[in-house]
Amino acid sequence: EVQLVESGGSLVQPGGSLKLSCVASGFTFSNYWMDWVRQTPGKSLEWIGEINTDGSKTNYAPSIKDRFTISRDNAKSTLYLQMSNVKSDDTAIYYCTRASFDYWGQGVMVTVSS
Amino acid sequence: DIQMTQSPASLSASLGETVTIECRASEDIYNGLAWYQQKPGKSPQLLIYNANSLHTGVPSRFSGSGSGTQYSLKINSLQSEDVASYFCQQYYDYPYTFGAGTKLELK
Repeated sequence: EVQLVESGGSLVQPGGSLKLSCVASGFTFSNYWMDWVRQTPGKSLEWIGEINTDGSKTNYAPSIKDRFTISRDNAKSTLYLQMSNVKSDDTAIYYCTRASFDYWGQGVMVTVSS
Repeated sequence: DIQMTQSPASLSASLGETVTIECRASEDIYNGLAWYQQKPGKSPQLLIYNANSLHTGVPSRFSGSGSGTQYSLKINSLQSEDVASYFCQQYYDYPYTFGAGTKLELK
């Protein structure tokens, strides 16, 4: 069974940093591009970015470019999202997904507030 | 960015009814479109990809159609378990973008 389990969400102050993790199981992680998507309290969905199979290539949404970094460790079947200089607008539920968007994690909450 | 305009924002329908949700892209997305269902407190679930391909395990009462800039999701014979929010997404061009969603309720 394919499973994606995110962790690392918390309350963080504006300007702070946070690193989210997503552990994958039930499929060969190293064969798949992976994505991060977030959902704001207003419920809209926003694509954050993606990473290729060996981690050598990434694509990001302009809204978060240069603040967020996606990486992966195929040996650990783990996807990461490093968030820096966070803003109140980054408050959302963060999901990891396979790049075909056929499997999603349960999501992890990030709250940016002082 | 490609803008995805989804309508209606909310919809009330009766059991057994046929429901249609529309999504319009700001430019041609060449069938690079997916539909998702999201129930409260849950993550989105893929229903349709490539505009009209049914994802594995999705009931056949769900169908997708369209081309160019206009796409639709149809639910035949509405069931109680279909009460949810529905989102469209284009993945033809970066950044991938989503519609604002349609909340489907029972009448």
